[in-house]
Order: sequence, then C-alpha cells, then structure tokens
Amino acid sequence: EIVLTQSPGTLSLSPGERATLSCRASQSVTSNYLAWYQQKPGQAPRLLVYAASSRATGVPDRFSGSGSGTDFTLTISGLEPEDFAVYYCQQYGSTPPWTFGQGTKVEIK
Amino acid sequence: EVHLVQSGGGLVQPGGSLRLSCVASGFTFSSYWMSWVRQAPGKGLEWVANIKHDASDQYYVDSVKGRFTISRDNAKNSLFLQMTSLRAEDTAVYYCVKGGWIHELDYWGQGNLVTVSS
Repeated sequence: EIVLTQSPGTLSLSPGERATLSCRASQSVTSNYLAWYQQKPGQAPRLLVYAASSRATGVPDRFSGSGSGTDFTLTISGLEPEDFAVYYCQQYGSTPPWTFGQGTKVEIK
Repeated sequence: EVHLVQSGGGLVQPGGSLRLSCVASGFTFSSYWMSWVRQAPGKGLEWVANIKHDASDQYYVDSVKGRFTISRDNAKNSLFLQMTSLRAEDTAVYYCVKGGWIHELDYWGQGNLVTVSS
C-alpha cells in the first residue's frame, strides 16, 4: 500500500498570496495517477486536479498540479476567499486499495 | 449534469448491518467504475471499495474485507454498499463517488452519516 504524506499540515496565508502544498508518496505512483481534492466544511470533496497536472472541468486556472514519481505539488497562484479549505492528495495508479494523504488545511492568516 | 443521490444511513448497534444506496443520473452509469469513500468525524478521507463498470471486479480496503460488499444494478443506475458486522470505527460519512476515465474520483454524492453505537 502506498502511503501519502502531505505537508505542511496547516498553511496560514492571506488572500492574494501563493499557496504551495506538497504530497510525497512512499513509492512511485504508477502513471503519475495522483489527484488533488478540495473540501470545505460540511461539503463533499471536489476534484481539482487528476493525473498530477490535469485540471478538472470548471476548475479555475489559478490551481495547478505538478510533479512525478513520488513528489507532487498543488499550487494556488493567488488565494481567493473561497480557496480556504482542506486539500487532499490521492493516488489511484496501482491496484486498489487507493490511498489519500492526511490533508493540508489552508487557513486565513 | 451528474447527480449522485444517496440514501440509507443512520444509527446502528455494533455487530449490526446497514445498506447504503446511491442513484446516479446525468451520465451513462454502466460505463464507469464507482467507489465508496468514507470520512470519520473530524478525520481525513478513506477509500473503502470500488466496482468495475460491469460488476466483474470489486476491491476493498483491508479493514472492511469480509464485512462489506459493494454491488451495482446498471438497469436501475444504482450503487450499493452492504455493511455487516459493523464496528464503532466504521462510524463515518460515506460518499458515493463516480470514477473518471482513468479512475479519478470526479463526482461525489452528498454523503450519508453512519453511526455505530449502542
């Protein structure tokens, strides 16, 4: 089973600032099948990025994913008020079980 | 527009059983893998199980193997999770999730709370 470790646990930033979230895998993610999700309180998660760098339908271009192998990054180029939330990475490249990281909370500074 | 409408959560005693349902619309249900993902109160996400588009393959996280069964009825655009021998640690919000072309989890249901407690 691939273990995903996200850092930092909490990111305190102001609107307009750039956010950089990290996700490190315990072994290489097959085909770079790594996704990022956003979750706001009381809501279901929302897919942002899949296959490491492809934006999902309707996701603003301030969200971008990068990385390969074991190291992946989600960047939010300029935080909007609605971007303050918890972000999870997830790998789905190998035969299940698929795994999630523990999450990074992006909070208003 | 994709919709996943869930039903079936609630309170159940330890050792009991519960069946979750999810009705899909807005896409060709029979063409896609489907998953269940859960989230314990105040915790992160945990993938639970998934099922191939034609129900010929199913996979489970180790902690639910032998206790949970995922199934689907493509004629009724429906996904199910039969949960037996429930434990306190199964308490969570359970999400029905559609898989994309390369299995990314692209659309999520509203979630159903399952509480296992005496």
